[in-house]
Amino acid sequence: GAVVSQHPSRVICKSGTSVKIECRSLDFQATTMFWYRQFPKQSLMLMATSNEGSKATYEQGVEKDKFLINHASLTLSTLTVTSAHPEDSSFYICSARQAGRPQHFGDGTRLSIL
Amino acid sequence: DQQVKQNSPSLSVQEGRISILNCDYTNSMFDYFLWYKKYPAEGPTFLISISSIKDKNEDGRFTVFLNKSAKHLSLHIVPSQPGDSAVYFCAASVSGTASKLTFGTGTRLQVTL
Repeated sequence: GAVVSQHPSRVICKSGTSVKIECRSLDFQATTMFWYRQFPKQSLMLMATSNEGSKATYEQGVEKDKFLINHASLTLSTLTVTSAHPEDSSFYICSARQAGRPQHFGDGTRLSIL
Repeated sequence: DQQVKQNSPSLSVQEGRISILNCDYTNSMFDYFLWYKKYPAEGPTFLISISSIKDKNEDGRFTVFLNKSAKHLSLHIVPSQPGDSAVYFCAASVSGTASKLTFGTGTRLQVTL
């Protein structure tokens, strides 16, 4: 089955630090990758859609300058949380999709900002 | 505005019995629906999907039913097994798998011995 690898799985850092999260599709080329955020006991909320070679499309209310997304290849997308603050602490999950197939998810990154 | 709702936050079922997880949606434009299973500290795993042109899709122990007029779908697991204990999310999209997913809030299923 399709495998999506997300790294790191957990990050603890000080306020003001920028954090980069990687999402890789290991056995398929992902035309589209998605970035989600999940708060405790809540649903996964889509943050942005990332297409290879083009700018990401951000959902309403998501600051594109805060959450930088780069999708440089068909197997790699990165999310950088710039100047992270405690309110950015959350569970971030990426997914990747091949044309005509369901999204497959990474295992998520638990981000804790002190 | 929660367009996809799972009104039962938790469900407990005995091993061997049927588990029925429910999901309601409000956006009539949704035409593709998926169920994902999620264990703690892991990403969701795709289980089964259904297109709006169908009212039932079956895959082994998992069956998804879609009632478009009621804007309701359900996931049946039979027989339930302890390994099925997880959080189940339903998700919906417009225009098939190409589009972004809107997730429900999840139902925690506990299968007891």
